[in-house]
Amino acid sequence: AQKITQTQPGMFVQEKEAVTLDCTYDTSDPSYGLFWYKQPSSGEMIFLIYQGSYDQQNATEGRYSLNFQKARKSANLVISASQLGDSAMYFCAMREGEGKLIFGQGTELSVKP
Amino acid sequence: DTGVSQNPRHKITKRGQNVTFRCDPISEHNRLYWYRQTLGQGPEFLTYFQNEAQLEKSRLLSDRFSAERPKGSFSTLEIQRTEQGDSAMYLCASSLVSPGDQFFGPGTRLTVL
Repeated sequence: AQKITQTQPGMFVQEKEAVTLDCTYDTSDPSYGLFWYKQPSSGEMIFLIYQGSYDQQNATEGRYSLNFQKARKSANLVISASQLGDSAMYFCAMREGEGKLIFGQGTELSVKP
Repeated sequence: DTGVSQNPRHKITKRGQNVTFRCDPISEHNRLYWYRQTLGQGPEFLTYFQNEAQLEKSRLLSDRFSAERPKGSFSTLEIQRTEQGDSAMYLCASSLVSPGDQFFGPGTRLTVL
């Protein structure tokens, strides 16, 4: 069965520094997609970045980059130059087949001024 | 606003009552998903539609839950005879078949007293 694991319940980072949020996954399907979402206290899930299993390059979107290590089955999110507005819950997710997403437990990021 | 919308945003009900939530997807998206998120957890898949066809239902979706998407546009999720364990955030997402990036609405927070 497919599974997503986020081992960091909470993380702290100083403003303007970079932070890495860990995500490991397990699947036997050779074709899959990996996603990161941000969920602020308002509750809305905000799409950040996507990595396909066949993508050769690591995905990047502005200050977000995904460190994709296929052999290790890890898809860590790197946020550069942290801002106070980055404080939120962050979820890693994997798309199973063509449909549903399987989510991890989440990591709560707190950015300190 | 061309994002996913959900109504109501909050619902408080007494145990045993029926409730119905509505989701309006991004207009050109033909896939629509429902997820449930309890406190401190990642979202869990409930069901999804492609156009008006319900393609998959989770075992979490007991016979008290029913979802429809009658014209392939908006969707409703009904919970009959609510229980306190149904208290959660109900999230709706939509996507194109390809690419399958899912965009979420703000959610409906249900509290069952």
